[in-house]
Amino acid sequence: NAGVTQTPKFQVLKTGQSMTLQCAQDMNHEYMSWYRQDPGMGLRLIHYSVGAGITDQGEVPNGYNVSRSTTEDFPLRLLSAAPSQTSVYFCASSRQITNTGELFFGEGSRLTVL
Amino acid sequence: AQSVTQLGSHVSVSEGALVLLRCNYSSSVPPYLFWYVQYPNQGLQLLLKYTSAATLVKGINGFEAEFKKSETSFHLTKPSAHMSDAAEYFCAVSQGNQFYFGTGTSLTVIP
Repeated sequence: NAGVTQTPKFQVLKTGQSMTLQCAQDMNHEYMSWYRQDPGMGLRLIHYSVGAGITDQGEVPNGYNVSRSTTEDFPLRLLSAAPSQTSVYFCASSRQITNTGELFFGEGSRLTVL
Repeated sequence: AQSVTQLGSHVSVSEGALVLLRCNYSSSVPPYLFWYVQYPNQGLQLLLKYTSAATLVKGINGFEAEFKKSETSFHLTKPSAHMSDAAEYFCAVSQGNQFYFGTGTSLTVIP
């Protein structure tokens, strides 16, 4: 029962470094998404994908890139990390891309940018 | 865009007391509404969801929520709090391909 798997769980970067947060799901879900969670701000959508080859921006996309080459994987790339990107990142997937589908979350990746 | 307001970032209740976590949404059309729970250092798990089938929705662990269109509310309740209910709770609304989350309510259960 892997579900949604995120790696790494913890990462420390220096300002200006790049990195990729990995997300994989084994439920054959068409919909995948990335959120960041910050204290007092809840979860905010960064990017999402409704299927392989299709991505779109969410509420806070600046500084992040995504791609979806397979149904299973949806990596999130930080091209030049900034301290403002210090956060906990969650990947979530859903079987349905309509309004009633529930999201299945990974356990999160905690990123610190110094 | 949708917005979700959760009143009270922190709620404390005694063990065995009623739990009431408030959620209001902004929408001109009937939304799809969700409550998620997050335990420390974990991802979010679905508690329950409203998809217009019934206004009173029952979820896991004894939680339920009532959709009130006239009040644009979807408050979460549980008759009797248990220590294991201590967690952060998020109300969410979905529209199209996006979910919108509230800022969360941290529930503390006092023994």
